[in-house]
Amino acid sequence: GEDVEQSLFLSVREGDSSVINCTYTDSSSTYLYWYKQEPGAGLQLLTYIFSNMDMKQDQRLTVLLNKKDKHLSLRIADTQTGDSAIYFCAEIRSNTGKLIFGQGTTLQVKP
Amino acid sequence: GAVVSQHPSRVICKSGTSVKIECRSLDFQATTMFWYRQFPKKSLMLMATSNEGSKATYEQGVEKDKFLINHASLTLSTLTVTSAHPEDSSFYICSAPTGYGYTFGSGTRLTVV
Repeated sequence: GEDVEQSLFLSVREGDSSVINCTYTDSSSTYLYWYKQEPGAGLQLLTYIFSNMDMKQDQRLTVLLNKKDKHLSLRIADTQTGDSAIYFCAEIRSNTGKLIFGQGTTLQVKP
Repeated sequence: GAVVSQHPSRVICKSGTSVKIECRSLDFQATTMFWYRQFPKKSLMLMATSNEGSKATYEQGVEKDKFLINHASLTLSTLTVTSAHPEDSSFYICSAPTGYGYTFGSGTRLTVV
């Protein structure tokens, strides 16, 4: 398909792990990103991964990339209430250089 | 790190008036600026790409005459919403490519009454 796709909603309990999934479209995309948006705020870059990597870990965040399936995931370990936000995955379209976003996954963390 | 400063953060205007949104690259030169629009609880929709010294390129379905984009210098890009209507109320955000990715402005919440 033409769209970057994400599930719309995820609810977890505080302390659990959260896994947010994304399917992207451009197999030639060099970078893939995860952004976080808190209510009423702009976008905060959480992490990114080069297309030649399978995994990247940064403190509580783990990004997994499956290029064959064009699947990207973000795992948040020990999820906290402050992690409640909308998470967007994004790809760079190789032919235009444009950054294209998924629909966003709303993460709800219950105490 | 690279910072894009976006102003204003919030603006309320009357129908029929025009509103200008500015994005400045503070510590780097932005030859390209992307402008996005976000509807409530929706993803970011790319509206247009501005390039310093040349005309902006607009995505399909975006009205060029309503959303005027100017990129007169390497550090400033502006989006002017002309003859604003309530349906133009939205969150507008700019983004500039930097070393490994993109830096975003903090966004502008436009409300047209």
